[in-house]
Amino acid sequence: GAVVSQHPSRVICKSGTSVKIECRSLDFQATTMFWYRQFPKKSLMLMATSNEGSKATYEQGVEKDKFLINHASLTLSTLTVTSAHPEDSSFYICSAREARNPTGELFFGEGSRLTVL
Amino acid sequence: DAKTTQPPSMDCAEGRAANLPCNHSTISGNEYVYWYRQIHSQGPQYIIHGLKNNETNEMASLIITEDRKSSTLILPHATLRDTAVYYCIVAHTGTASKLTFGTGTRLQVTL
Repeated sequence: GAVVSQHPSRVICKSGTSVKIECRSLDFQATTMFWYRQFPKKSLMLMATSNEGSKATYEQGVEKDKFLINHASLTLSTLTVTSAHPEDSSFYICSAREARNPTGELFFGEGSRLTVL
Repeated sequence: DAKTTQPPSMDCAEGRAANLPCNHSTISGNEYVYWYRQIHSQGPQYIIHGLKNNETNEMASLIITEDRKSSTLILPHATLRDTAVYYCIVAHTGTASKLTFGTGTRLQVTL
């Protein structure tokens, strides 16, 4: 099946720094990608919808200036956590659906675990 | 998107069938039922999805009631590697259609 890859899988950073997470669709094009975050023992929470060539759509309560999303091509979306703080430590997961198969499944990346010291 | 209700946890003996129920009484006519699972510290894995007909693939079977208000995911021969949190999600289709995760069912497969 289709593959979605995230990088890095784990990152540790100091408080106040910014961290960029990449999400790539390896063998298909995706006009839309989705970013989720997950706290320990909790379910996935949708943060935003990343739209190729246009601004991302953020869910209620998610700070767009804190979590910058860029979707510059049909195979790459990036999430930048700006001025990270310990409370931003979480598991971030992206997902994408093939543009040519709108009724198909959503494929998920392996996740990126962010730890802010 | 319609909300789903799943039992928080279930146990299943290895080799036996695991039947995971899901209620989605407010599902609309054009919403699909999706099942995903998440093994600890990994991204969710797609299992199966359907609209109104029963579906089967190499991983599982999906049984949707005639009124579409509930469904059951069946893992025919559960193994220890099937231990995971299973999520039932109802959503519209479309490239921009997002999936909203509930709390899921934690399935524990035991020897």
